[in-house]
Amino acid sequence: GDSVTQMEGPVTLSEEAFLTINCTYTATGYPSLFWYVQYPGEGLQLLLKATKADDKGSNKGFEATYRKETTSFHLEKGSVQVSDSAVYFCALSDRGLTGGGNKLTFGTGTQLKVEL
Amino acid sequence: ETGVTQSPTHLIKTRGQQVTLRCSSQSGHNTVSWYQQALGQGPQFIFQYYREEENGRGNFPPRFSGLQFPNYSSELNVNALELDDSALYLCASSLGSGLNTEAFFGQGTRLTVV
Repeated sequence: GDSVTQMEGPVTLSEEAFLTINCTYTATGYPSLFWYVQYPGEGLQLLLKATKADDKGSNKGFEATYRKETTSFHLEKGSVQVSDSAVYFCALSDRGLTGGGNKLTFGTGTQLKVEL
Repeated sequence: ETGVTQSPTHLIKTRGQQVTLRCSSQSGHNTVSWYQQALGQGPQFIFQYYREEENGRGNFPPRFSGLQFPNYSSELNVNALELDDSALYLCASSLGSGLNTEAFFGQGTRLTVV
């Protein structure tokens, strides 16, 4: 079945440092890929997405490129801020429901802590 | 436009009891999915409803059941609660369930089973 593997956290960085959170996936079809962010006490918010190979998703300074050859979708940001502290989830969407719809398969999440 | 709202936000139940969680989907959305997020884990897909019909189900036992109403709001029911059911339950709504469809999540219901 489909699966998503993320680097374990927590990742602790100083403000303005470069961020990379690794994500690799296994899927039988051609999934869409997503990064979601979860702030303390809140639900998930979509950060960015990419729908086909070589697509780059970007939002709020975060970027991730859909790499089919390495089955990866690593999240990057050039300069993190304290406000970026949250848990980041990589996810894929692959049609597989009996009724024809799709579901999200998530990684275990990577906690990011940004310090001054 | 209102977002996805879930109720209650927190709940404590005793093992063996039954619980009902509620979700109001975002305006115009006809698809609702439910996820279970155990502490320190990623969300796990429970099931999805599209226009009041179950559209698919994850690897959860039959004591997890659901409903979707004509206004597209939804309920998640769990019978015979077990300690391992303690988790954050997330509802997500979307317009359809295409491959690239964005799902909008509620803030979740924190269920504690004692």
